[in-house]
Amino acid sequence: GDSVTQMEGPVTLSEEAFLTINCTYTATGYPSLFWYVQYPGEGLQLLLKATKADDKGSNKGFEATYRKETTSFHLEKGSVQVSDSAVYFCALLMEYGNKLVFGAGTILRVKS
Amino acid sequence: NAGVTQTPKFQVLKTGQSMTLQCAQDMNHNSMYWYRQDPGMGLRLIYYSASEGTTDKGEVPNGYNVSRLNKREFSLRLESAAPSQTSVYFCASSGQGLVNQPQHFGDGTRLSIL
Repeated sequence: GDSVTQMEGPVTLSEEAFLTINCTYTATGYPSLFWYVQYPGEGLQLLLKATKADDKGSNKGFEATYRKETTSFHLEKGSVQVSDSAVYFCALLMEYGNKLVFGAGTILRVKS
Repeated sequence: NAGVTQTPKFQVLKTGQSMTLQCAQDMNHNSMYWYRQDPGMGLRLIYYSASEGTTDKGEVPNGYNVSRLNKREFSLRLESAAPSQTSVYFCASSGQGLVNQPQHFGDGTRLSIL
């Protein structure tokens, strides 16, 4: 079945460090890919998305590129802030689907 | 803007008790979802409702029932709570077509079963 695998956390970084959170997927067909973020005590919010191969999604300094050849959608940010501390979820949506498939989530902790 | 509202925010139950989690959205969305979030397992879909009057099972439906009361409201019921159902429960809603209509989530219900 369709699945999403994320790197295990927690990831702990100092402020202004470079961030990469790895995400790979298994799916038949051509899924759309998403990153959601969950701040403490809140629900998930859409961070960015990409709907086809080689698309780059970006928002709030975060970026991810849909790589069909490596079935990956890694999240990156050039300089993290303490306020970026949260749980990040990678997710996929199959063509014609109406259900998201989420990865296990990666905790990010940024120290000042 | 209220968005998706879940009640209650916290609840402690004893094994065997019943409970209904409430969810309401004010965005005129067709689709609504119930998830549970457990450490290391991400979000798993319990049930969803693609439109008013329809409900379908997700990945982990056993032990739960749902009711799409109207377009705004989608409730989740635990008939006989078990410790394995201790979790954080999230309700979400979306417009037609998830690619261009991202899911909006409530703030969650933290449920403990003793």
